[in-house]
Amino acid sequence: ETGVTQSPTHLIKTRGQQVTLRCSSQSGHNTVSWYQQALGQGPQFIFQYYREEENGRGNFPPRFSGLQFPNYSSELNVNALELDDSALYLCASSLPGTSPTDTQYFGPGTRLTVL
Amino acid sequence: SQELEQSPQSLIVQEGKNLTINCTSSKTLYGLYWYKQKYGEGLIFLMMLQKGGEEKSHEKITAKLDEKKQQSSLHITASQPSHAGIYLCGADYWGSQGNLIFGKGTKLSVKP
Repeated sequence: ETGVTQSPTHLIKTRGQQVTLRCSSQSGHNTVSWYQQALGQGPQFIFQYYREEENGRGNFPPRFSGLQFPNYSSELNVNALELDDSALYLCASSLPGTSPTDTQYFGPGTRLTVL
Repeated sequence: SQELEQSPQSLIVQEGKNLTINCTSSKTLYGLYWYKQKYGEGLIFLMMLQKGGEEKSHEKITAKLDEKKQQSSLHITASQPSHAGIYLCGADYWGSQGNLIFGKGTKLSVKP
């Protein structure tokens, strides 16, 4: 149990639609990162939010956007869904600047299927 | 080319046997994380290595980081069915703790 929750667990959308995925971080963890994990691959970094501002972005187009809220919850929004967006989406929270062992804690993920 | 290479891609071992998973980086690491993942689920943190030559152990799992901080190994002693899953190494190149580059994972099966 990492203290990080995600919703929904599973989601099915059709191409062109928009989707919002949610993550609730551990209390006090002011950094949240989002990852996309395609089947059989390792997670790929999408972006990171620190104190409600985007603080780094991976190689993902602007139709992937996010929000972080003061209550340690966050959202990943994906517009104009494509078939290749089908993946497990993981969020991870952390409290940077502390001991290296205070690392990222991952949620269980949201499985998105785009038809 | 992939920045972080994991080997082997998959591994099937008999219960009780030892095994090693390797993770090789194309450049010097700030830190190296090991995670375990059950199929389709979130990642469970195992260990984080930061210093060259560092070695950490937790129960029957030992992870090492080489002196040059470009290669890490994960060793499981006397494997059990509960060790089955996908092992992922994640590289931190910037000290941000937030942007990890992951390998493709090693799928471990343990036969009773």
